[in-house]
Amino acid sequence: QKEVEQNSGPLSVPEGAIASLNCTYSDRVSQSFFWYRQYSGKSPELIMSIYSNGDKEDGRFTAQLNKASQYVSLLIRDSQPSDSATYLCAVNKPGSYIPTFGRGTSLIVHP
Amino acid sequence: EAQVTQNPRYLITVTGKKLTVTCSQNMNHEYMSWYRQDPGLGLRQIYYSMNVEVTDKGDVPEGYKVSRKEKRNFPLILESPSPNQTSLYFCASSRREGSYEQYFGPGTRLTVT
Repeated sequence: QKEVEQNSGPLSVPEGAIASLNCTYSDRVSQSFFWYRQYSGKSPELIMSIYSNGDKEDGRFTAQLNKASQYVSLLIRDSQPSDSATYLCAVNKPGSYIPTFGRGTSLIVHP
Repeated sequence: EAQVTQNPRYLITVTGKKLTVTCSQNMNHEYMSWYRQDPGLGLRQIYYSMNVEVTDKGDVPEGYKVSRKEKRNFPLILESPSPNQTSLYFCASSRREGSYEQYFGPGTRLTVT
């Protein structure tokens, strides 16, 4: 089992809809969770971090963490074509300050 | 401006010709790492460094070397590049304290023929 798993997609949603991206992780004691957005050919950029169970909202983005079920999700409300990108989930292993990345989910928002 | 820089951004070379990709950060970060990204395989860590003179292997270290003689610089060295090292490479840095957010460089696209 990979340490951090994501559905590769593509996930296709219409403009204005809610996009839901999911990530599961294998190490139960993981403690830091991140979502990065990566446009094609560009470097990843952090859009959300979450450290405790529950929801964290930032503008149109909401990160959700459920440590008991070992998953973290990202919701994008009012999706825009500019949100079309690959979204990388990253998880910090215990005792490590360097995260492990999932393979990413490709999101396509069509007008 | 806080940033991670990489050079060169694009490089085409031939098998066996030693090359170095430089990485520099101006944020006084303790942690630095190198990743390669290939289609379908995502970001894979090559090497990382916790501080000056402290480096360790990541998931795919074969064929690569690194050094950390100064806090700001973390060059990636390919002593004898091979075609299977054709990839997109990213350098990243992060702080020891706080959020552990990774700050990425712009990437280096390497082609080995």
